[in-house]
Amino acid sequence: EVQLVESGGGLVQPGASLKLSCVASGFTFSDYWMSWVRQTPGKTMEWIGDIKYDGSYTNYAPSLKNRFTISRDNAKSTLYLQMSNVRSEDTATYYCTFFVRGYWGQGVMVTVSS
Amino acid sequence: DIQMTQSPSFLSASVGDRVTINCKASQNINKYLNWYQQKLGEAPKRLIYNTNNLQTGIPSRFSGSGSGTDYTLTISSLQPEDFATYFCLQHNSFPWTFGGGTKLELK
Repeated sequence: EVQLVESGGGLVQPGASLKLSCVASGFTFSDYWMSWVRQTPGKTMEWIGDIKYDGSYTNYAPSLKNRFTISRDNAKSTLYLQMSNVRSEDTATYYCTFFVRGYWGQGVMVTVSS
Repeated sequence: DIQMTQSPSFLSASVGDRVTINCKASQNINKYLNWYQQKLGEAPKRLIYNTNNLQTGIPSRFSGSGSGTDYTLTISSLQPEDFATYFCLQHNSFPWTFGGGTKLELK
């Protein structure tokens, strides 16, 4: 059974950094591209970006490219999202997705507030 | 970026009704269009991928169609568990983009 479990969210102050993790199981993690998507409190969905199976290539939403970095550790079957200089508009639920097979994690909430 | 215009935003229907939800892309997305269902407090669930391919385990009352810029999700006979929010997503061109969502409510 495929499972994606995100962690690392919480309350963070504007301008701070935060790193989200997603531990994958139930499939050969190192064989697949992985993605991050976020959903605002108003329910708007936004694709953040994705990373190639070997970590050698990433794509990002242009509006987030300068502040967000996606990485992975295939030995740990873990996907990461490094968020820097966070803003109030980054408040959202962040989902790790195994896009090609249609699986999503349960999501982790990030609240940016002073 | 490709804009995805989803309609309607809200839909009120009854059990047994046939409903359709539409997504219109601002340019041709070559059938790279997925549909998702999201229930309150849950992660989205993929229903349909690449326009008309039913995800494993999804009931056959869900179907998708379309081409070019216009795509449709059809639920042939609404069941109580289908009342939820539905999103489309285009993955033809980066950045991938979502429709604004359709909240399907019980009439």
